[in-house]
Amino acid sequence: GAVVSQHPSRVICKSGTSVKIECRSLDFQATTMFWYRQFPKQSLMLMATSNEGSKATYEQGVEKDKFLINHASLTLSTLTVTSAHPEDSSFYICSANERERPYNEQFFGPGTRLTVL
Amino acid sequence: QKEVEQNSGPLSVPEGAIASLNCTYSDRGSQSFFWYRQYSGKSPELIMFIYSNGDKEDGRFTAQLNKASQYVSLLIRDSQPSDSATYLCAVRLDRGSTLGRLYFGRGTQLTVWP
Repeated sequence: GAVVSQHPSRVICKSGTSVKIECRSLDFQATTMFWYRQFPKQSLMLMATSNEGSKATYEQGVEKDKFLINHASLTLSTLTVTSAHPEDSSFYICSANERERPYNEQFFGPGTRLTVL
Repeated sequence: QKEVEQNSGPLSVPEGAIASLNCTYSDRGSQSFFWYRQYSGKSPELIMFIYSNGDKEDGRFTAQLNKASQYVSLLIRDSQPSDSATYLCAVRLDRGSTLGRLYFGRGTQLTVWP
């Protein structure tokens, strides 16, 4: 099946720093990539939808200047958490739809656990 | 408004029993329905998807869809302790600007005890 990777899997940083998370589709071209955030014991919350070559669409309440998304190619999307603060500590998960089969399942990455001290 | 409702649980069943997980959705335009399993600290993994009314079976898992009642369920037969996880119901509209987007429920925590 299609594989999505994320890097890093875990990151600890100081408050005020920026953190970049990469999401790659390893064996397929992704038309769309999605970024989710999940706090402990809560469900996935969609942050933004990212299409290759265009600006990301952010969900209501998500600050686009704080969570920068770049979808530079059909296999790579990045999420940068700028000036991270402890309240940004969460589990960040990306997913992707396969270009050739947009109606098929979303393939999820393994997630990135961010801890901001 | 696109809402997906699940009983938060926790649902606790003995090993070998049938676990029944339920989900309702508000948007009648929903076209595709997914059940994901999420272990603690891990990302979701797809168990089953269903598009048409009726039942769909895959091994110990059966998904049931009733679009008229806006209801989808997941049955797990012969439950095993390894099935203990949070189960997420997701729906997809498959149209317009929401193409490909999943709407998730809050999840039901299942515990299977030996």
